[in-house]
Amino acid sequence: EAGVAQSPRYKIIEKRQSVAFWCNPISGHATLYWYQQILGQGPKLLIQFQNNGVVDDSQLPKDRFSAERLKGVDSTLKIQPAKLEDSAVYLCASSWGGTSGNTGELFFGEGSRLTVL
Amino acid sequence: AQSVTQPDIHITVSEGASLELRCNYSYGATPYLFWYVQSPGQGLQLLLKYFSGDTLVQGIKGFEAEFKRSQSSFNLRKPSVHWSDAAEYFCAVGSNDMRFGAGTRLTVKP
Repeated sequence: EAGVAQSPRYKIIEKRQSVAFWCNPISGHATLYWYQQILGQGPKLLIQFQNNGVVDDSQLPKDRFSAERLKGVDSTLKIQPAKLEDSAVYLCASSWGGTSGNTGELFFGEGSRLTVL
Repeated sequence: AQSVTQPDIHITVSEGASLELRCNYSYGATPYLFWYVQSPGQGLQLLLKYFSGDTLVQGIKGFEAEFKRSQSSFNLRKPSVHWSDAAEYFCAVGSNDMRFGAGTRLTVKP
């Protein structure tokens, strides 16, 4: 079974530039998450999708971050304009997310490491 | 609101020694609890999870964890550590709204 795919693995940009990250979840997983992991910290949830609808985006800095999950499969996370403090690894995860029998287990991609100079 | 505390930022143990990583949580209902491991440059891999039932849960790679409701804890243990266990370990709580602790970095001495 293919895992969660993310790209690019690494990205270096200057502040005020824009960047986009892509995620393809495990086939059949209804729930998709974007986490931000700053060096030395645990992952912080940015946004959660159930199919193509947003469940939780309370911690997403909406003035600069946006995310979409068109057609309920792939997702894109965009940052515009980037700030120095956005340097982090952006992790995508997916789960089965059904209304019953949801084990809650998240499957993670390898992450996209962003460096903002 | 749910939260997770991992009191130890960094732990060093000798290969073959036993290991215990601490995790305390705050959650309004019966929690779903998880331990994940992250090797350098890799994503997070699930070690084990607790939903209900037996409070001692077994995971992969010889790890186990015990849920103690009275102490709001879910500590991870391994009787004998291997050099390949060196990694970052994260405790998490929740189900569809999972929250992670800050992590404990494990170093294994030869």
